[in-house]
Amino acid sequence: GAVVSQHPSRVICKSGTSVKIECRSLDFQATTMFWYRQFPKQSLMLMATSNEGSKATYEQGVEKDKFLINHASLTLSTLTVTSAHPEDSSFYICSADAGGSNEQFFGPGTRLTVL
Amino acid sequence: GENVEQHPSTLSVQEGDSAVIKCTYSDSASNYFPWYKQELGKRPQLIIDIRSNVGEKKDQRIAVTLNKTAKHFSLHITETQPEDSAVYFCAASRSRSTLTFGKGTMLLVSP
Repeated sequence: GAVVSQHPSRVICKSGTSVKIECRSLDFQATTMFWYRQFPKQSLMLMATSNEGSKATYEQGVEKDKFLINHASLTLSTLTVTSAHPEDSSFYICSADAGGSNEQFFGPGTRLTVL
Repeated sequence: GENVEQHPSTLSVQEGDSAVIKCTYSDSASNYFPWYKQELGKRPQLIIDIRSNVGEKKDQRIAVTLNKTAKHFSLHITETQPEDSAVYFCAASRSRSTLTFGKGTMLLVSP
């Protein structure tokens, strides 16, 4: 149980375009989802916390107008990287809180490459 | 906020040896301490976790110890195998709160 999927797994786009990444909890309802960014050989850095039906809470230094998060249902959160630039190239990972404990279940990640 | 320090950043051992990775945290209210294993390009996989009401937890070759007074916790892997090679992250959080990750330890187990 507690499976989280992400789509797409890999995306290559041109500078200036927008990219949407989906995160789904497949067999449980997630009231809270988290979005992380991981640069090569670095740790996971929390970007924002997404709660179903409310605005996301962004970490310091993360531009909310650039990284749009929508958590429209208990099983789906989306991250849209708007006007992507090469420095946005990274591994984006979501996780979901199944409720009742601290444990987070991670998606497989999305490798974004901006040319 | 919480700050998690992790050491060492890299660790090389021979197959069959033990490996120990240590983390310290700053927030005395943190009560959940998971350890993740991440292979290149893959998602972090939870390998073991411990809560603040327990001092030690073991699962086959993996164990975690927690010292609340000193605010540090450690991962112990015994009888290491080449497939244990990966990056390991510790993390800490309060109840139902965000995880703060350490910077990771690259473990290399040589045959």
